[in-house]
Amino acid sequence: QVQLVESGGGVVQPGRSLRLSCEVSGFTLSTYAMHWVRQAPGKGLEWVAVIWSDGSDRYYADSVKGRFTISRDNSKNTVYLEMNNLRADDAAVYYCARNRFGSGWYYFDYWGQGALVTVSS
Amino acid sequence: EVVLTQSPGTLSLSPGDRATLSCRASQTVGIYFAWYQQKAGQAPRLLIYDASSRATGIPGRFSGSGSGTDFTLTISRLEPDDFAVYYCQQYGPSLPLTFGGGTRVEIK
Repeated sequence: QVQLVESGGGVVQPGRSLRLSCEVSGFTLSTYAMHWVRQAPGKGLEWVAVIWSDGSDRYYADSVKGRFTISRDNSKNTVYLEMNNLRADDAAVYYCARNRFGSGWYYFDYWGQGALVTVSS
Repeated sequence: EVVLTQSPGTLSLSPGDRATLSCRASQTVGIYFAWYQQKAGQAPRLLIYDASSRATGIPGRFSGSGSGTDFTLTISRLEPDDFAVYYCQQYGPSLPLTFGGGTRVEIK
């Protein structure tokens, strides 16, 4: 069955960096675009970034542009989110989610269980 | 950016009741619209895509309707497992992808 498992979350000081990973199984990663979506504690959902199935295109929310980088290694069945210069308002559960198709942006048909990122000095 | 406004914020109903959740978009998004259910401590789950198509494994009591700027999620007869928070999402022609603020369906 389709599974997405995030890892790499934790507590980080403001201004520092963190890299999240999302390892997938049960489907061919190279066929699908992938997203990161986050949810601050007690708040709603916020889309963060998307990467095309072949890595040829990437797009970001304005709130993370220039600080976050989405990437993927299809041979390792893994999608990454490199987060630099973290701020207090980046604290959230970060979900990896599968796009319905290999390119373009659509709905999220499968989600991981989430990785908690806490930004605190 | 397309802003999605969900109403009501909270819906207090009893098992067996009909639930009607609304979401209004600030710009037309055609039928590029989805609904998700999220229970406490869990990831969201896709319920409806393309405004009215049920996702795989979603029971028939969930239905979606609408197009353009006004969308509705209907749960025909609430079961105990349906009490949760529901989010709408648009995937129209322009980024960013956006979500509504959520509607909590709670037991009356």
